[in-house]
Amino acid sequence: QKEVEQNSGPLSVPEGAIASLNCTYSDRGSQSFFWYRQYSGKSPELIMFIYSNGDKEDGRFTAQLNKASQYVSLLIRDSQPSDSATYLCAVNKQGGKLIFGQGTELSVKP
Amino acid sequence: DTGVSQNPRHKITKRGQNVTFRCDPISEHNRLYWYRQTLGQGPEFLTYFQNEAQLEKSRLLSDRFSAERPKGSFSTLEIQRTEQGDSAMYLCASSSNAGQANEKLFFGSGTQLSVL
Repeated sequence: QKEVEQNSGPLSVPEGAIASLNCTYSDRGSQSFFWYRQYSGKSPELIMFIYSNGDKEDGRFTAQLNKASQYVSLLIRDSQPSDSATYLCAVNKQGGKLIFGQGTELSVKP
Repeated sequence: DTGVSQNPRHKITKRGQNVTFRCDPISEHNRLYWYRQTLGQGPEFLTYFQNEAQLEKSRLLSDRFSAERPKGSFSTLEIQRTEQGDSAMYLCASSSNAGQANEKLFFGSGTQLSVL
């Protein structure tokens, strides 16, 4: 079992729709959770982080964390073609290093 | 420039040659990480430093790989006797708030290595 698992996609949504990206993790001791966006050929860019159970909203992005279910999600409202990218879920284990999932490719169709 | 800087951006080498990459972190960041990423996969942890001390190396890191951060500022990653399987994007990241739950990693643009 991988430590951080994501569906690789591609996930295709129409412009203006809500995109829902999911991630599960195996280590119950994980402390904090991050979503990175990576455009093709570019490096990962931090877009959201969450530490506590529940929802955290930042503009069109909402991160959701359920530690009991070991589940993290990212919702993107009013999806735009510019949101088309690979979204990486990352988990901070004790000690600081991030463990990444394989990423979910999102395609937003005009 | 206040971001993480990596050089070179691209490196093409022949199998068996040695290569060295450099990373300059954000100036006030005391932690520096190296990751490797292949197509269709997420970044894979290689090693990290706190100041000049190398605190952890991945079990996946063979003895052909070595990293240094001699003065706690820039870091180098050397791969000896390169193999075709070493072809990947090598990413460097730095962070402050070392070891805390709110530690955030900021990545450089990466070095794309191609081993022929």
